[in-house]
Amino acid sequence: DIQMTQSPSSLSASVGDRVTITCRASQNIGTYFNWYQQKPGRAPKLLISTTSFLQNGVPSRFSGTGSGTDFTLTITSLQPEDFATYFCQQSFSIPLTFGGGTKVEVK
Amino acid sequence: QVQLVESGGGVVQPGGSLRLSCAASGFTFSDFGIHWVRQGPGKGLEWVAFIGYDGRNKYYGDSVKGRFTISRDDSRNTLYLQLNSVRPEDTAVYYCAKDFRRYFGSGTGNALDIWGRGTLVTVSS
Repeated sequence: DIQMTQSPSSLSASVGDRVTITCRASQNIGTYFNWYQQKPGRAPKLLISTTSFLQNGVPSRFSGTGSGTDFTLTITSLQPEDFATYFCQQSFSIPLTFGGGTKVEVK
Repeated sequence: QVQLVESGGGVVQPGGSLRLSCAASGFTFSDFGIHWVRQGPGKGLEWVAFIGYDGRNKYYGDSVKGRFTISRDDSRNTLYLQLNSVRPEDTAVYYCAKDFRRYFGSGTGNALDIWGRGTLVTVSS
């Protein structure tokens, strides 16, 4: 199974900050990699697919980069609605696997 | 409106069985693969199972293989997950989630683009 190691597990930030979350795969997964956002009590929401493709309706302050084993989610100017937990996920092979999550909290 | 609605959760004793359902609307259900994903209390996401658009390809996570069965009824636009021989560690919110694609294959660029709100399964005596 491909292990996804996400860091940090939590971070504190303020509105307007630039936030970066990283995810490392245990083997080369090309660009078959997705990011999800989850708010408390809600289902996850797909933000970015295939490493860098923003889903419809996702603000352009979100961006994804990477390939191979190292991937990054960047939020350029954190907004109040962005405080949430973010999960990475590889779609290269079965079983699909998720990172442990990064909780973005108010500083 | 594209929507998935899970049902069937509840309290079940260890070793017992339960069937979860996921009703789809707002899209052509038979054109897409569908997943089950679960989230234990205070935990992260764990992929459980996937079924391809035609029901022929099914995949399972190691922790549920041989105990859980995924199926679909396209005439009812409904996905199912049969849980047998449940264990306390199966306690979780179970989500169904639509895939971008009809099937899973290396290089097909799968992603879970629509999720239901989840149904809670509690395994306890």
